[in-house]
Amino acid sequence: QMRLQGSGPGLVKPSETLSLTCNVSGGSISSRNYYWVWIRQPPGKGLEWIASIYYSGETYYSPSLRSRVTISVDTSKNQFSLNLSSVTPTDTAVYFCVRQTTMVPWYFDYWGQGTLVTVAS
Amino acid sequence: SYVLTQPPSVSVAPGQTARITCGGRDIGTKSVQWYRQRPGQAPVLVVYDDSDRPSGIPERLSGSNSGNTATLTITRVEAGDEADYHCQVWDSGSDDGWVFGGGTKLTVL
Repeated sequence: QMRLQGSGPGLVKPSETLSLTCNVSGGSISSRNYYWVWIRQPPGKGLEWIASIYYSGETYYSPSLRSRVTISVDTSKNQFSLNLSSVTPTDTAVYFCVRQTTMVPWYFDYWGQGTLVTVAS
Repeated sequence: SYVLTQPPSVSVAPGQTARITCGGRDIGTKSVQWYRQRPGQAPVLVVYDDSDRPSGIPERLSGSNSGNTATLTITRVEAGDEADYHCQVWDSGSDDGWVFGGGTKLTVL
């Protein structure tokens, strides 16, 4: 059964870099059928797509976050990662790692449980 | 940028039909997905490509999409349907990528 497990610090100081990793089990991250994605949800608010990556390293970024975000993949460890730099309290959110199909309509079919990251001093 | 508009809340009595809308410019030309999110849990895909259901999602949940409005319809509503519902599209006309609506809280009275 496909499982995505996100991990990382729950508290990050303003201006620092938020770093999260997602371990994928129950399937290969090198599958040609999927992208690997980060989506976040501020407390009490809606969902926001952050970035997507293919096993080859091909990346897509949200225009609003592109200047601060890096997504990467490590096929040898079956995991992918997110770095978000220069964080502020508005980056406080639950961060989900997600699997996305590569075929139209590119839906998000498996979600990790989410990691709450609070930005505060 | 492409904006999806959902009502913040919808309330319905058990056994009745709930309709949750998702408005967007010419959304009828796009493929719409719907996700259900129960409190404290991750979202779950319940409808994709406007009206298809993943395995395990009951037929009581259905989707439609035309013009400027997509709709998720839940018939014979049960207490377990109480959740937040999010619509989502891919906007090919801009750089926005994958866009979500603000979410609708379905309350079962």
